[in-house]
Amino acid sequence: GQQLNQSPQSMFIQEGEDVSMNCTSSSIFNTWLWYKQEPGEGPVLLIALYKAGELTSNGRLTAQFGITRKDSFLNISASIPSDVGIYFCAGLRAGGTSYGKLTFGQGTILTVHP
Amino acid sequence: DGGITQSPKYLFRKEGQNVTLSCEQNLNHDAMYWYRQDPGQGLRLIYYSQIVNDFQKGDIAEGYSVSREKKESFPLTVTSAQKNPTAFYLCASSGTVGGLYNEQFFGPGTRLTVL
Repeated sequence: GQQLNQSPQSMFIQEGEDVSMNCTSSSIFNTWLWYKQEPGEGPVLLIALYKAGELTSNGRLTAQFGITRKDSFLNISASIPSDVGIYFCAGLRAGGTSYGKLTFGQGTILTVHP
Repeated sequence: DGGITQSPKYLFRKEGQNVTLSCEQNLNHDAMYWYRQDPGQGLRLIYYSQIVNDFQKGDIAEGYSVSREKKESFPLTVTSAQKNPTAFYLCASSGTVGGLYNEQFFGPGTRLTVL
C-alpha cells in the first residue's frame, strides 16, 4: 500500500537541542496525525491536525498541516532523554469510503544523548 | 479508564497452531483495526471493521481471520496458514462524527513469537 515519505529516518541529538521531522505525500489528506512509539508499546497520539495551514502545539511539540494538504512537519523543542522513541506521521482521509484507514510514514527514530 | 486493551502482552506458539489475540475497547468507537509491525518497519493493516458483524481485508490479510460480534471486541486469529507470524500486533479503534472517521487510538500491543 501507499506510504508517506517521512524524513529523516533517524536522528542522534544532544539533550536540549531542537528536532524537526517532516512527512510528504503525493496525494491529499484532510487530517494529519503524529504518533510516538516507545519500545514494546503501542503508538501514542501526540498531535492531530484537521485544517490546511493549522499550527498546533502540545507542550514542547509543534506540528503544522501544510497548505497543500500534502505535507506536515513536527518540531520538538529543547529535547530531553524521555523524547527517545519512534515518531510516525499518518494521513487520514476522513470520508466514509476511506473507512478511516491511515497511511503511515516509515518513522523517525530519535535518540537523545544526555 | 477509557482505552484499548490487548491481551496477552507476550504470546508464544508452536508452529502449526492457531492462536487468537484479544482486543477490547471501551471508547464506544464504531471502527476497529488490526496492524502488524515487524522490526524496523512501519505498520501494515491486516483487517478492519467499521461496524458490528462487518469486517474487511486490509493489505496483508492472508493467514489471518477476525470476528466482530460485539462493538467492544475485535479478536484476531493468526492461523497456521500465516507463513511468518512472528511480529508485534497492534489493535486500534476510531470514532466517527457525522460519517467522518476520526483519529485512531492504539492498544499496547501483543508480541507473538512462533517457536
